[in-house]
Amino acid sequence: DAGVIQSPRHEVTEMGQEVTLRCKPISGHDYLFWYRQTMMRGLELLIYFNNNVPIDDSGMPEDRFSAKMPNASFSTLKIQPSEPRDSAVYFCASSADRGVAEKLFFGSGTQLSVL
Amino acid sequence: DAKTTQPTSMDCAEGRAANLPCNHSTISGNEYVYWYRQIHSQGPQYIIHGLKNNETNEMASLIITEDRKSSTLILPHATLRDTAVYYCIVRPRTYKYIFGTGTRLKVLA
Repeated sequence: DAGVIQSPRHEVTEMGQEVTLRCKPISGHDYLFWYRQTMMRGLELLIYFNNNVPIDDSGMPEDRFSAKMPNASFSTLKIQPSEPRDSAVYFCASSADRGVAEKLFFGSGTQLSVL
Repeated sequence: DAKTTQPTSMDCAEGRAANLPCNHSTISGNEYVYWYRQIHSQGPQYIIHGLKNNETNEMASLIITEDRKSSTLILPHATLRDTAVYYCIVRPRTYKYIFGTGTRLKVLA
């Protein structure tokens, strides 16, 4: 298995532009998580899905952020409009609920720089 | 959901055992303890997990106290490649995995 795949690897954009981050979870996994990591705030959970349905989006900073999961193999995190303070590494992770203990598998992340 | 407390940083000599402690005094019921690590700017990587008994795999050992209020991750022979941030997490019922600040382990040559 290729693992969790995120794209792009790096994104540089100007303030006010729309940014879309993409994630392909591991096949068969039914949970998908979006995290943001900065030096100041560490690793923050933004939102997570179960079977393509958003379960908890309380970590989404504000209305400029939105996440979708149209099918089991694809999710997007969109920022519109982007601001310099959104600069961070965004990680996607997936896991499979086997009723006991499950592991989170993380992607390599997207390094976002908003100028 | 139970919270965890870890030291901010630790040093360990290469080849020696690294013992990373974690307090989770509010752990309850059937909550599992998980350990992950993050090397440089990569995504966090699963290491090991446990419920009550001590666990060992090819990467590390996990020692959980009898009252389950604390645990220790042991890297038996630390190498320079083990330099990373180590996160201790109690698996929440809600699947809402919250990562704390972790312990920054530096393995010294």
